Formats: sequence, C-alpha cells, structure tokens
Amino acid sequence: GAVVSQHPSWVICKSGTSVKIECRSLDFQATTMFWYRQFPKQSLMLMATSNEGSKATYEQGVEKDKFLINHASLTLSTLTVTSAHPEDSSFYICSARSQRTPSYEQYFGPGTRLTVT
Amino acid sequence: EDQVTQSPEALRLQEGESSSLNCSYTVSGLRGLFWYRQDPGKGPEFLFTLYSAGEEKEKERLKATLTKKESFLHITAPKPEDSATYLCASVDSNYQLIWGAGTKLIIKP
Repeated sequence: GAVVSQHPSWVICKSGTSVKIECRSLDFQATTMFWYRQFPKQSLMLMATSNEGSKATYEQGVEKDKFLINHASLTLSTLTVTSAHPEDSSFYICSARSQRTPSYEQYFGPGTRLTVT
Repeated sequence: EDQVTQSPEALRLQEGESSSLNCSYTVSGLRGLFWYRQDPGKGPEFLFTLYSAGEEKEKERLKATLTKKESFLHITAPKPEDSATYLCASVDSNYQLIWGAGTKLIIKP
C-alpha cells in the first residue's frame, strides 16, 4: 500500500518552454500532496503544499507564477514549470499524505529529473 | 528555531560491521519522527515513524529508537544493499516536516 507514482521520470526541455509533472497516489486518497526539489547531494527542499480543491501554499522564495500547482482530485496533483530556464534543472519529487494516516507520514514518488537546455 | 541535525554526514562500513546513525532534533510540539531511505535518483522510501521517547521499531537489519532529544538508526550486520542515504524528519506542531540533511551510508563488501 501507499504507492505514489510520478510522470515523467525524466524530461528534457528547451529554455522558455513549460513542463508538466504529474503525481498520483495509486492506492489511497491523498488529501494533501507536497512538492519538493532536490539538488545534487542536498536534502529535500519543500516547494509547496497542496490540498485537494484549494490553492497551494508556497514556501518562502518559491515563485507561485513559475511553479503552478493543481490538486484537482484526491489522487492527482500536477506541477507545471512555466517558462523553464536552465536554473530550474533539478530533481522534483512529490509526496502524498493520506487523511487516514494519523501519523502524517508522507509517501514519496520516484521523482522527475528535469533538464532545461 | 526548529531544527533537525543528522550525523555523521557520511559513514563507510565494512559488510557486517554494525553501527548507528544519529538524528538530533529541537522541535517544539513534536508529533513524530520519521526515517526514510533514499537511493540515488529515487524518491525517499518510508522506513519508520516514532512517536514518543522510549519507542523502538525494527525492520530487517534496521532498528530505530527515540529519546527526548534524538533518534538513532541502528544497523546490524549491514550488507552492501543497505548502502543509501538515510534521512530523518520531525513533524512539528503544525504537521510540517523538518528534514535533516541525511547520512550517506556506504557498505563495502
């Protein structure tokens, strides 16, 4: 149980284009999903928290107009990197939390490697 | 300020050499402490949740313990496949995760 998928697993795009990453909870309903980015040899950096049906809450320093998050259903959240630039190249990971889990454990997807050329 | 600190940053062990990883925390209103394993290029894999001081949990060669100030991840007779980065995170009173920087564990055959 508690499986989270991400698609695509990797993507290469040209500077100025937009990229959408999907995050799905496969066997549970995720009332809350999180988006992280991770630079090489560094820990996870929380970008935003999204609750189903409401606007995402962004961490300080994260541009909400650049990183668009949609959490339209209890099993799907999407992150769109708009007008991507090389500095947006990173490893993006989503996680999901079930309302049935009292311990608030987060279950992670396998991550998406974004390279902007 | 709430903070989680992991040590050491990296640990190299011979196969079969037991050791422990440390996670120190200063978090008000701690609701739980998580341990995750992360392999290169992959998302973290959930290992344990600990809720209160004195609690212990085990999974195969791993055992996690919790005190009021820190948590330990003990690894007994490790194998090369245990090589990974181990992350700990605390859950604060607002249910937010505060992450440590991780310990990179390398087990040499």
